[in-house]
Amino acid sequence: KAGVTQTPRYLIKTRGQQVTLSCSPISGHRSVSWYQQTPGQGLQFLFEYFSETQRNKGNFPGRFSGRQFSNSRSEMNVSTLELGDSALYLCASSLAPSGGGYEQYFGPGTRLTVT
Amino acid sequence: GENVEQHPSTLSVQEGDSAVIKCTYSDSASNYFPWYKQELGKRPQLIIDIRSNVGEKKDQRIAVTLNKTAKHFSLHITETQPEDSAVYFCAPSFSGNTPLVFGKGTRLSVIA
Repeated sequence: KAGVTQTPRYLIKTRGQQVTLSCSPISGHRSVSWYQQTPGQGLQFLFEYFSETQRNKGNFPGRFSGRQFSNSRSEMNVSTLELGDSALYLCASSLAPSGGGYEQYFGPGTRLTVT
Repeated sequence: GENVEQHPSTLSVQEGDSAVIKCTYSDSASNYFPWYKQELGKRPQLIIDIRSNVGEKKDQRIAVTLNKTAKHFSLHITETQPEDSAVYFCAPSFSGNTPLVFGKGTRLSVIA
């Protein structure tokens, strides 16, 4: 089985721009979660989608949004980028919602740098 | 929401020694307790997990123990090897309706 893929792998944007990141889950997985990883802060939960519905949202401003398509692929969007948005963005897929005890399979991440 | 704390934040051990990382959580209804390992430059991967009806689980050199009364669970690594050097995250969860909440991680360094 192919693993979780994320595109692009690296991205450099300037403040005020917007960005869209993409995540393709493992075939058959219907749940996709997104995390922001920065040094010292660990993995901070952004949102989780299951069957095209957002199930949970983390404590991030409304500039962060996402969606899931019928084929379970997911995108996240960040508008009006700020320097503090520079981070590694990881997505993870699982058969069912993550909190139910299903293993999460992570993608390689997208490294976003905001200048 | 769930509060999760990991201790210590960094840990250095000599090769062959044991390492223990503790994760404390706040939600007494939490029932799923995984540990993820992230090697430098790589993605996190599940290494072991336990559910609330089990007190301990072992898989070769790694084990997880759960103390529901005290609301903490621990990762134990015995006979540490250089390839155990990584950041370890705990991520307890209450149910399928709530997401995993990751701790801030423990950086383990195994010195040869």
